[in-house]
Amino acid sequence: SQTIHQWPATLVQPVGSPLSLECTVEGTSNPNLYWYRQAAGRGLQLLFYSVGIGQISSEVPQNLSASRPQDRQFILSSKKLLLSDSGFYLCAWSEGVSGNTIYFGEGSWLTVV
Amino acid sequence: QKEVEQNSGPLSVPEGAIASLNCTYSDRGSQSFFWYRQYSGKSPELIMFIYSNGDKEDGRFTAQLNKASQYVSLLIRDSQPSDSATYLCAVNPLKTSYDKVIFGPGTSLSVIP
Repeated sequence: SQTIHQWPATLVQPVGSPLSLECTVEGTSNPNLYWYRQAAGRGLQLLFYSVGIGQISSEVPQNLSASRPQDRQFILSSKKLLLSDSGFYLCAWSEGVSGNTIYFGEGSWLTVV
Repeated sequence: QKEVEQNSGPLSVPEGAIASLNCTYSDRGSQSFFWYRQYSGKSPELIMFIYSNGDKEDGRFTAQLNKASQYVSLLIRDSQPSDSATYLCAVNPLKTSYDKVIFGPGTSLSVIP
């Protein structure tokens, strides 16, 4: 069966510091991968999606970036965090066929102080 | 115009009652519809998906889809306190080659013992 893991689960970072969140998927090949953000009391906002290695599309302009160095690995990064980057970050995957279900990782709580 | 709308709630129902959660969407060509449950502080987990008009039942859950009215609902029979969570409606418009699922803001459900 397929599994998705992301880490770290929780982190507190000062303003201006870098960020790296990592996600891996097991049990499937060539998945579509996603990074979402959920601010407190808000809906899910799609940040990035990837349909293959090195293929990243951004949905929202911001100081975040994403990379996919391997088929089942997805990384969310920032060089300098802002207070507004605080939130719940979710990695997700779906089969590489349109219409299939999106499955989420456990999520990472980021607090920028 | 929001693409997927839900009543934010909170919706309160007594234990054992039927909880009815509603969702409307704007893209008439949408083909795939999903319901997720999200407990506080946790990531969303899939409850059901539905593709065709009509009802789809899974245990205590029934999803109802009416494409003509652009409306999808989730009924929870014999509601339990453990059903207390936020329920996210998600729609895949299938306009692109990837799963750009659009999530609604969620409805908070509270089941009162």
